[in-house]
Amino acid sequence: AQSVTQLGSHVSVSEGALVLLRCNYSSSVPPYLFWYVQYPNQGLQLLLKYTTGATLVKGINGFEAEFKKSETSFHLTKPSAHMSDAAEYFCAARGNQGGKLIFGQGTELSVKP
Amino acid sequence: EAGVAQSPRYKIIEKRQSVAFWCNPISGHATLYWYQQILGQGPKLLIQFQNNGVVDDSQLPKDRFSAERLKGVDSTLKIQPAKLEDSAVYLCASSDNTFSSGRSTDTQYFGPGTRLTVL
Repeated sequence: AQSVTQLGSHVSVSEGALVLLRCNYSSSVPPYLFWYVQYPNQGLQLLLKYTTGATLVKGINGFEAEFKKSETSFHLTKPSAHMSDAAEYFCAARGNQGGKLIFGQGTELSVKP
Repeated sequence: EAGVAQSPRYKIIEKRQSVAFWCNPISGHATLYWYQQILGQGPKLLIQFQNNGVVDDSQLPKDRFSAERLKGVDSTLKIQPAKLEDSAVYLCASSDNTFSSGRSTDTQYFGPGTRLTVL
């Protein structure tokens, strides 16, 4: 069965520092992978997705993620954190025929001034 | 393009009462999903519709939860009777179910959610 694990339920960085949010998946077939962001009292907004092709995926707000099949990972990075990046981040996976997303438990990102 | 609409945004009820949530997907999106997000957890699928047919309801507690998508557009999720553990955010998402080279390329777009508190 497919599963997604996010390492670290809380990550705190200083403004301007590197953001690294970790995500590992478990699947017999490499899934399609997504990162969503959730601001307080709002729904989920897509940051980026990997389906096929280039393994380094660029998303909105300066975020990017790299699909590494050998490590079954899809970590999210941003070179320089901004106060507005403070939010909950979810990694998700699904099969290549569509259907439900399997979400990780989420990582809350705090940005200190 | 208008996004996924949900109402109400917040609802507080007592246990054993009933409640209903409404979702209007993005125009033209054939697939509609209802997810339950309990505090501190990622969303979990309750039910998936393709047009007005159910594709996956394996995680829906059918003794108390029901959902319908009449006419294949908007959808209603109902809980009757509610339990304390139903307190959660209920998210609706939709996708256009596009395929390329035999693979699904669609993206799920989420509404703002309905926060349910059961006292």
